[in-house]
Amino acid sequence: AQSVTQLGSHVSVSEGALVLLRCNYSSSVPPYLFWYVQYPNQGLQLLLKYTSAATLVKGINGFEAEFKKSETSFHLTKPSAHMSDAAEYFCAVSVVKGDTGRRALTFGSGTRLQVQP
Amino acid sequence: DTGVSQNPRHKITKRGQNVTFRCDPISEHNRLYWYRQTLGQGPEFLTYFQNEAQLEKSRLLSDRFSAERPKGSFSTLEIQRTEQGDSAMYLCASSFTRGGLAGSNNEQFFGPGTRLTVL
Repeated sequence: AQSVTQLGSHVSVSEGALVLLRCNYSSSVPPYLFWYVQYPNQGLQLLLKYTSAATLVKGINGFEAEFKKSETSFHLTKPSAHMSDAAEYFCAVSVVKGDTGRRALTFGSGTRLQVQP
Repeated sequence: DTGVSQNPRHKITKRGQNVTFRCDPISEHNRLYWYRQTLGQGPEFLTYFQNEAQLEKSRLLSDRFSAERPKGSFSTLEIQRTEQGDSAMYLCASSFTRGGLAGSNNEQFFGPGTRLTVL
């Protein structure tokens, strides 16, 4: 079974500082990996995804993530934080469930990003 | 707006009552998922439809929960005899998979969720 661990339930950065949100995954088969963002009382919006192509993935709003198989990591970064980046961020791993074909999404517990002025 | 919609957005009910939520997926999407998200946690998978067929149910989905997708379009999630532990955000997501291929990259698009509070 696959799993995701997000290190740090809360991260606080200053506006303009580097954002680094950590995600480690466990999967017995090559996974697809995703980062989603959730604003208060909203659903999840896809930031970026890794689907076995380029290991450095660029997403929306200036975010990017690098798939490192040797470290089983998929950390999310942004060079310069903006106040509007304050939200909850979820890392998710996806593998095919053989009997139904469902590509199951397993989420981490989330990291709340605060951006200080 | 052509995204995933969910109704109602908020529902407050008393313990023991039945509630029903609706999800309208993106129109051409053939797969529909229900997730539950409790405070401070990531979403957890509940059930999954391919067109009108319910192909999988999580162990989280007790017999008080039932989901339908009668015409392969919108879906409903009903909770009978609600309990305080059912309080959560219920999220719906949809995706499109061409030709029913397993393993295809079916990016899931999420709705805004229905927040259920059981008193």
